[in-house]
Amino acid sequence: EPEVTQTPSHQVTQMGQEVILRCVPISNHLYFYWYRQILGQKVEFLVSFYNNEISEKSEIFDDQFSVERPDGSNFTLKIRSTKLEDSAMYFCASSDFWGGQPQHFGDGTRLSIL
Amino acid sequence: ELKVEQNPLFLSMQEGKNYTIYCNYSTTSDRLYWYRQDPGKSLESLFVLLSNGAVKQEGRLMASLDTKARLSTLHITAAVHDLSATYFCAVDGDGNQFYFGTGTSLTVIP
Repeated sequence: EPEVTQTPSHQVTQMGQEVILRCVPISNHLYFYWYRQILGQKVEFLVSFYNNEISEKSEIFDDQFSVERPDGSNFTLKIRSTKLEDSAMYFCASSDFWGGQPQHFGDGTRLSIL
Repeated sequence: ELKVEQNPLFLSMQEGKNYTIYCNYSTTSDRLYWYRQDPGKSLESLFVLLSNGAVKQEGRLMASLDTKARLSTLHITAAVHDLSATYFCAVDGDGNQFYFGTGTSLTVIP
């Protein structure tokens, strides 16, 4: 069964550094998403992406964050000037339609900011 | 701000018992999703409910949606240990955003 893959599984970074989290969505899916989950808390929507542009973004997704689909398969989340509070699990998801279809989630990248 | 609240947050139940998890939301969305998350793992889609009165069942889990009351329920029948996990509901918000509930951590005790 096709799946969403994320790399790396764990990223440790010094505060202030930039990180790029990578995702390969399911190949025929058109909608892509990033979420974060702080340990023990709920899943928070960051951004949705369709047709090579951001569809929607949450208040969390400020100028520190950016997303890109650099080629036909990868979908990346860049976090600039990381802060301690950016430490969380980041999940990528994809779906073939908007709404009414389940999103398929990757296994996540655990980001630890030191 | 859209709110999605689940009740209870923590649930400990004995094997063989029945229980219901509640999900209340504040938007007018007709689409409600249920996900399961095992500790340290990703989210697995359980159900997609697309209209008022929708009911879906898979094994010991049954989900329903009442859009008028803005309420979804996840009913567990004759719980078994394998159902221990955290269960999240989620709704489509205005625009292309998804809002997840607070989660219900379920522990099934033998």
